[in-house]
Amino acid sequence: QLQLQESGPGLVKPSETLSLTCAVSGGSISSSNSYWSWIRKPPGKGLEWIGSMFSGGGSHYNPSLKSRVTVSVDTSMNHFSLKLNSVTAADTAVYYCGSGGGIAVAHVWGQGTLVTVSS
Amino acid sequence: EIVLTQSPVTLSLSPGERATLSCRASQSVSNNFLAWYQQKPGQAPRLLIYTTSFRATGIPDRFSGSGSGTDFTLTISRLEPEDFAIYYCLQYGTSPTFGQGTEVEIK
Repeated sequence: QLQLQESGPGLVKPSETLSLTCAVSGGSISSSNSYWSWIRKPPGKGLEWIGSMFSGGGSHYNPSLKSRVTVSVDTSMNHFSLKLNSVTAADTAVYYCGSGGGIAVAHVWGQGTLVTVSS
Repeated sequence: EIVLTQSPVTLSLSPGERATLSCRASQSVSNNFLAWYQQKPGQAPRLLIYTTSFRATGIPDRFSGSGSGTDFTLTISRLEPEDFAIYYCLQYGTSPTFGQGTEVEIK
């Protein structure tokens, strides 16, 4: 059974880069025709899609974040990653990684990790 | 960007009652690529419905989705105690966007 687990710093300074990793277990990130996605939930707000990458190649990003976001897949480590640069307090959120058959449509999600942007 | 507007913002119901949640899109959703998620405090979102009406694996049949074009509905036929949560619709026909959520609370 596929399981996902986010990891990364819980505190990032303004203007720096937020980097998170999503470890995949119970399946291979390269053998499935899946989308690997990141979404986030800021405190007191709703869900926001960040970006997705297809296992066969090709990435898709939220237009409002596109200039700052990179989603990448590391098949050797069986994980995928999120990088968001030039962060501000508005990027404070719980970040979730997910996997499924469509962009942002994930049948499996990680438990989420809180990232706070503060000096 | 397609804007999704969910109504009502809050739905106050009792266990056993029927819940009807609405999601209206600012323009037609391509291929009816509309999904519904359930989220409880401190938990990851849970996919309920995709492509308007297909239940995700393991989702009870009291959850059903319908609609087309710009108007979509999630129906919970009889509310169970574990169904009280926030529900989000998501369109993924173009660059994905979520609705703002409907909270189903215990009356």
